[in-house]
Amino acid sequence: NAGVTQTPKFRVLKTGQSMTLLCAQDMNHEYMYWYRQDPGMGLRLIHYSVGEGTTAKGEVPDGYNVSRLKKQNFLLGLESAAPSQTSVYFCASRLIRVTGELFFGEGSRLTVL
Amino acid sequence: AQTVTQSQPEMSVQEAETVTLSCTYDTSENNYYLFWYKQPPSRQMILVIRQEAYKQQNATENRFSVNFQKAAKSFSLKISDSQLGDTAMYFCAFGETSGSRLTFGEGTQLTVNP
Repeated sequence: NAGVTQTPKFRVLKTGQSMTLLCAQDMNHEYMYWYRQDPGMGLRLIHYSVGEGTTAKGEVPDGYNVSRLKKQNFLLGLESAAPSQTSVYFCASRLIRVTGELFFGEGSRLTVL
Repeated sequence: AQTVTQSQPEMSVQEAETVTLSCTYDTSENNYYLFWYKQPPSRQMILVIRQEAYKQQNATENRFSVNFQKAAKSFSLKISDSQLGDTAMYFCAFGETSGSRLTFGEGTQLTVNP
């Protein structure tokens, strides 16, 4: 049981390049989330999904797109990377909203030069 | 919108002593959950403790306990008998029972000194 897996773990991009972060969970969770973590700012929600085929914007969605074509996968895309998107990205999932507990991936460190 | 505030960016404590981390939140909801997550240097986020707002009794998990003051919208974490392995960033988080999202505070970096 792998839990929540993020790939890649590290990536360096040049300004303007595109990339996709993949999040996969094997716990049959309905809810999935993408957060970014920056020093002094905690975790901020980028986008989330409440089920297969659904997505919604969080606090800081600009510059990112997401897709949830399969229940177990949640993809985060950067179409044209900017230095302001240098951050550590965390994917998380949870079964249903009532229980509340989030299960996190190990994070992906992205640097945009 | 809900907000979560952790007013202590950094704290330190001596091994075996007790430390309390503060968290306040703002909401108009009556039913919600509160959480403390720990993030050690490995970066992995680990759930420490959870409190349901409708429960008056404060949650306890071994050396970790909370002081939940609903009227004051305060949710502090007490760590007793601090251990070196408790060194980590600690995040307070809030989630509505009827909602889909968790809102996190800015984090408190705790260092346990030998």
